[in-house]
Amino acid sequence: GNSVTQMEGPVTLSEEAFLTINCTYTATGYPSLFWYVQYPGEGLQLLLKATKADDKGSNKGFEATYRKETTSFHLEKGSVQVSDSAVYFCALRWEWGGGSNYKLTFGKGTLLTVNP
Amino acid sequence: AAGVIQSPRHLIKEKRETATLKCYPIPRHDTVYWYQQGPGQDPQFLISFYEKMQSDKGSIPDRFSAQQFSDYHSELNMSSLELGDSALYFCASSLGGQGLYEQYFGPGTRLTVT
Repeated sequence: GNSVTQMEGPVTLSEEAFLTINCTYTATGYPSLFWYVQYPGEGLQLLLKATKADDKGSNKGFEATYRKETTSFHLEKGSVQVSDSAVYFCALRWEWGGGSNYKLTFGKGTLLTVNP
Repeated sequence: AAGVIQSPRHLIKEKRETATLKCYPIPRHDTVYWYQQGPGQDPQFLISFYEKMQSDKGSIPDRFSAQQFSDYHSELNMSSLELGDSALYFCASSLGGQGLYEQYFGPGTRLTVT
């Protein structure tokens, strides 16, 4: 079946450090890939997405490139801020069979803490 | 912009009681998804509806049922509650058809079963 594997956290960085959170996936066909962010006590917010190989999603300084050859979608940010502290979830959506069977499959999540 | 509304935001129930969670999708969204997130866990897909019909089903216990109404809001009914049902329940909505549009999540309902 489809699955997403994220690097285990927690990740603790100092402000302005470089961030990488690894994400790899297993799926047949060509899934769409997403990064969601969950701030403490809040719901999930879409951070960025990519729908086909070599697409780069970007938002708020975060980037991730859909690499089909390595089945990866690593999240990166050049300079993190304290306000980036949150849990980050990598997810895939596997489209099949038409209709609206487009559920998301999530990774386990990575807790990021950024210290001043 | 209007977002997904979930009610109640917090709910405390005792074992063997029933609970009903409500989800109001973004206007014009015709697809609703329900996810369950246990403490420290990733969200797990429960069930989805498109145009008031069940479109997909995940790891939803038989004690749970759900439906989508004519105004596209959805309700998740949970009976014979167990301690293990304590979790954050998310609803997400999207525009259905061909999976072209992303899912927008509500703030969640935190269910505590004592």
